[in-house]
Amino acid sequence: DTAVSQTPKYLVTQMGNDKSIKCEQNLGHDTMYWYKQDSKKFLKIMFSYNNKELIINETVPNRFSPKSPDKAHLNLHINSLELGDSAVYFCASSQPGTGGTIQYFGAGTRLSVL
Amino acid sequence: KQEVTQIPAALSVPEGENLVLNCSFTDSAIYNLQWFRQDPGKGLTSLLLIQSSQREQTSGRLNASLDKSSGRSTLYIAASQPGDSATYLCAVKKTSGSRLTFGEGTQLTVNP
Repeated sequence: DTAVSQTPKYLVTQMGNDKSIKCEQNLGHDTMYWYKQDSKKFLKIMFSYNNKELIINETVPNRFSPKSPDKAHLNLHINSLELGDSAVYFCASSQPGTGGTIQYFGAGTRLSVL
Repeated sequence: KQEVTQIPAALSVPEGENLVLNCSFTDSAIYNLQWFRQDPGKGLTSLLLIQSSQREQTSGRLNASLDKSSGRSTLYIAASQPGDSATYLCAVKKTSGSRLTFGEGTQLTVNP
């Protein structure tokens, strides 16, 4: 049973389109994240939500808007897609605690903007 | 601003060798450090997490050490196997609620 699942796994679309990536975790975690991995394999945080509230919002274009309908879901909506948005997007979740926290990652969504 | 560097960027070894992957970070005030494995086209799998008060963690053939004062961590893989081939990433966290800052990873290939 997949702990953190993302859909779709692959997304190919034209410039200017609007698309969404969905993420769900069944671990009961309070915190969820979106990361972007560029062509150089470098992972960068985009957003973090704790119990449906935004707690980290890195400098990303306003075209990117996360939505958390409940603490098990964190979806990423992207407006007016650009070529530079092509990357692999990873969702992750963790449970804050005094013992240190492990982040569990989804399999990633490979976005290709043509 | 925290920066995380991993050396080498790529490593190719014959099966059975013991190997060390290096991770360095510029700000020693960290909460914890985590090592991940990423298989091609797949997500990240957490391997080991070391809290700032710890010096090492072990899991099977893997041993991760942490030297906060020098800003370094190493991942030691004993008796490497072809199935160990993957990209290994280290990431540090500044506080309990903060984001992870990742290194660029070391791409490991273990040849049969």
